[in-house]
Amino acid sequence: AQSVTQPDIHITVSEGASLELRCNYSYGATPYLFWYVQSPGQGLQLLLKYFSGDTLVQGIKGFEAEFKRSQSSFNLRKPSVHWSDAAEYFCAVGMIKAAGNKLTFGGGTRVLVKP
Amino acid sequence: DAGVIQSPRHEVTEMGQEVTLRCKPISGHNSLFWYRQTMMRGLELLIYFNNNVPIDDSGMPEDRFSAKMPNASFSTLKIQPSEPRDSAVYFCASSPDGQETQYFGPGTRLLVL
Repeated sequence: AQSVTQPDIHITVSEGASLELRCNYSYGATPYLFWYVQSPGQGLQLLLKYFSGDTLVQGIKGFEAEFKRSQSSFNLRKPSVHWSDAAEYFCAVGMIKAAGNKLTFGGGTRVLVKP
Repeated sequence: DAGVIQSPRHEVTEMGQEVTLRCKPISGHNSLFWYRQTMMRGLELLIYFNNNVPIDDSGMPEDRFSAKMPNASFSTLKIQPSEPRDSAVYFCASSPDGQETQYFGPGTRLLVL
């Protein structure tokens, strides 16, 4: 069965500093990987996704993620965080079935941004 | 373009009452998903449909929960009878057929007293 682990439950970062969120997955085949962001009281918004090809993926809001097959990781990075980046971030792995698709989400990492 | 629409946005009810949550997926999307989010358990997939047919309901917690998708533009998640432990945020998401990206609605915040 597939699984996703986000080791950090909370991360506090100063505005303007860099941010890296860790994600490790367990999956028996080539994974489809996603990062979503959830602002307080909101639904989940897709930041970026990896299906194949270049292992460094660019997303919205200045985020990027790197797929490392050897480490089963898909870490999310941003060079300089803004106060508006305070949110909860979810990593997910996708399993494509003949009928529809299914995502398994990690537990999330809550990011706090200090002024 | 309208995204995934969920109603109501907030629901407060008493234990034992029936609760119905509604979802309108993005037009043209063939897959629809219901998730539940709690502090203790995080984001859990309850059930998903493809072309209006339930594909995987293994996440439905018990018989008190049921979901239907009578047509391509509407789905309901029903809890009968509701219990305080059902209090959570329930999300609906949809996805175009053959793609893996899911688009989430704003959620319904349910409180069962």
